[in-house]
Amino acid sequence: EDKVVQSPLSLVVHEGDTVTLNCSYEVTNFRSLLWYKQEKKAPTFLFMLTSSGIEKKSGRLSSILDKKELFSILNITATQTGDSAIYLCAVEVVMETSGSRLTFGEGTQLTVNP
Amino acid sequence: ETGVTQSPTHLIKTRGQQVTLRCSSQSGHNTVSWYQQALGQGPQFIFQYYREEENGRGNFPPRFSGLQFPNYSSELNVNALELDDSALYLCASSLDSGTGASYEQYFGPGTRLTVT
Repeated sequence: EDKVVQSPLSLVVHEGDTVTLNCSYEVTNFRSLLWYKQEKKAPTFLFMLTSSGIEKKSGRLSSILDKKELFSILNITATQTGDSAIYLCAVEVVMETSGSRLTFGEGTQLTVNP
Repeated sequence: ETGVTQSPTHLIKTRGQQVTLRCSSQSGHNTVSWYQQALGQGPQFIFQYYREEENGRGNFPPRFSGLQFPNYSSELNVNALELDDSALYLCASSLDSGTGASYEQYFGPGTRLTVT
């Protein structure tokens, strides 16, 4: 059975801190790994990673994938209160139909205090 | 905002009833996937529709069914509602070119279903 595990499940930091969120996976037919931010309802897309060792950056957020060790990290530097959210890691898995589905981890609840 | 819309935003139903949730995909997207997100959990894949056909299904019973229309909008139907069906139902649209390349899935705001 496909599995995605995120750690920590919960994290409380102060504004300005740097955080690292972890995601490990065991799946068959891996296609890509995605990170989403979920504040109230809709998860919003952050990154899609398909190749090992290539860092993707967007402002204070960055992410990297290790396909040999089967994990990814999401870094947030100089955290702000607006970064408070649930961060979801999802692995895109190819189905027998050749379509793909996302298998999600439980998420990391990040709280940034002023 | 992603351009994916869902209706209704909230819904309260009684155990045993039936419900229909709706999703309009982002312009140009031909694939819709549905997910169930229970409180405190990550979303779980229900099924996917591609060009009006079911294109893969997760571990959900047959009382969860769906449709996709020619304009690529979609419906999720749940029959014989159970208390455990209470969750946030998310739809996500994407573009599948059939080449095997990855395309991001963009999520709608979800429908919060409460079964009493």
